[in-house]
Amino acid sequence: QKEVEQDPGPLSVPEGAIVSLNCTYSNSAFQYFMWYRQYSRKGPELLMYTYSSGNKEDGRFTAQVDKSSKYISLFIRDSQPSDSATYLCAMSLAWENQAGTALIFGKGTTLSVSS
Amino acid sequence: NAGVTQTPKFQVLKTGQSMTLQCAQDMNHNSMYWYRQDPGMGLRLIYYSASEGTTDKGEVPNGYNVSRLNKREFSLRLESAAPSQTSVYFCASSEISAQPQHFGDGTRLSIL
Repeated sequence: QKEVEQDPGPLSVPEGAIVSLNCTYSNSAFQYFMWYRQYSRKGPELLMYTYSSGNKEDGRFTAQVDKSSKYISLFIRDSQPSDSATYLCAMSLAWENQAGTALIFGKGTTLSVSS
Repeated sequence: NAGVTQTPKFQVLKTGQSMTLQCAQDMNHNSMYWYRQDPGMGLRLIYYSASEGTTDKGEVPNGYNVSRLNKREFSLRLESAAPSQTSVYFCASSEISAQPQHFGDGTRLSIL
C-alpha cells in the first residue's frame, strides 16, 4: 500500500461548482499537510498547508484534515476555468530539523472547469 | 525574485550521452531536491540534499548522481542516458527538510 493515495481523476465540473479533492494516507505520524497546484508545463506551486487536524481557509480554498480517518481534503468554492490544473497533496512527518525527511506526494488529481 | 531556476528547459539526448541538469535557488534555503515526473507515476524523489555538504538517495536514484555545489546550487547528472530516463525533471528547495517546497518549472528531457 502506497503511503499516500489520491484519485487521479480526471474531474470535470462546470464553472461555479464546488470541487472536493481528497487524499488518504496510511502513516499516522504525518503532521503537516500541503496542497500544490500544477498548471500544464509548469512546476507545482504551494497553495495551502495545515498542521494536524482542522480546517484552514484562504479565499475560495479550504483545506481540511481529519487525522482520525487519515483523510485530507481541498475544497474549491465558485470554481473558475483558471482553476483547471492538477492538484497534488503532500505530507511530512515534522518540520523541526528532521534531517533527511522529505515530503510524500500523492500522484495528483487533474481538474477541468468548463465555462 | 526568481525563486528556483532550472537550466536547460528542454534537451534531447542520444542513448549513452551524458548530461548535467542545473538548479539554483535564491531563497537562502538549506534543503534541495530533484524529482522526476512521469504520466501516471506522480512525482518521484531522485536525490535530495538536506543541507549544504550532504546528499541522500530518494526513491529512484539509479542512473543519477548529484552535487551540492554550494548552498544555492544543486546539480543532477546522467552519466549514460537511457530511454527510461525520458521524463520531466523538477528541482525544489525548502528552508529545512519536510517544510513546504518551492519548485522550478522543470527540464523536459528526451532520450532517443
